[in-house]
Amino acid sequence: GDSVTQMEGPVTLSEEAFLTINCTYTATGYPSLFWYVQYPGEGLQLLLKATKADDKGSNKGFEATYRKETTSFHLEKGSVQVSDSAVYFCALNSGGSNYKLTFGKGTLLTVNP
Amino acid sequence: DSGVTQTPKHLITATGQRVTLRCSPRSGDLSVYWYQQSLDQGLQFLIQYYNGEERAKGNILERFSAQQFPDLHSELNLSSLELGDSALYFCASSDTGLGNIQYFGAGTRLSVL
Repeated sequence: GDSVTQMEGPVTLSEEAFLTINCTYTATGYPSLFWYVQYPGEGLQLLLKATKADDKGSNKGFEATYRKETTSFHLEKGSVQVSDSAVYFCALNSGGSNYKLTFGKGTLLTVNP
Repeated sequence: DSGVTQTPKHLITATGQRVTLRCSPRSGDLSVYWYQQSLDQGLQFLIQYYNGEERAKGNILERFSAQQFPDLHSELNLSSLELGDSALYFCASSDTGLGNIQYFGAGTRLSVL
């Protein structure tokens, strides 16, 4: 079945540091890939997505590239801010007759001033 | 604000009891998804409804059931509650014709004592 593996946290960085959160997946067919972010006490918000190989999703300075050859979708940001502190989830869906999301376990990011 | 409304925000109840969680999807969205977020299992898909009909089932216990009403709001019913059912329950909605993006509510935190 579908699965998502993302790097274990927590990750602690200083402001303006470079961020990478690794994500790899196993899926049948050609899944769509997502990064969601969960701020403390809130629901999940879509951060970015990519629907086919070599697509790059980007939003708010975050980027991730759909790499079919390595089944990866790593999240990167060049310079993190304190306000980026949150839990980040990598997710996929394989489409078909439903669009359920399969999530990784989440990575807690803390950015210190 | 995602446009998805979940009530109540918090629910505290005892083992053996039954509760109902409610979700109003974004205007125009026909699909509703329910997810459970717990510390040990992470985020898991429970069930999907599309325009009033069950579309897909995930790791949903037999003690749990859901339905989607003609006005498209959905309810998740949890019965014979156990301590292990304590979790955050999220509802998401989507228009499946728009790239699989799911919009999440803020969640209902269920505590079973």
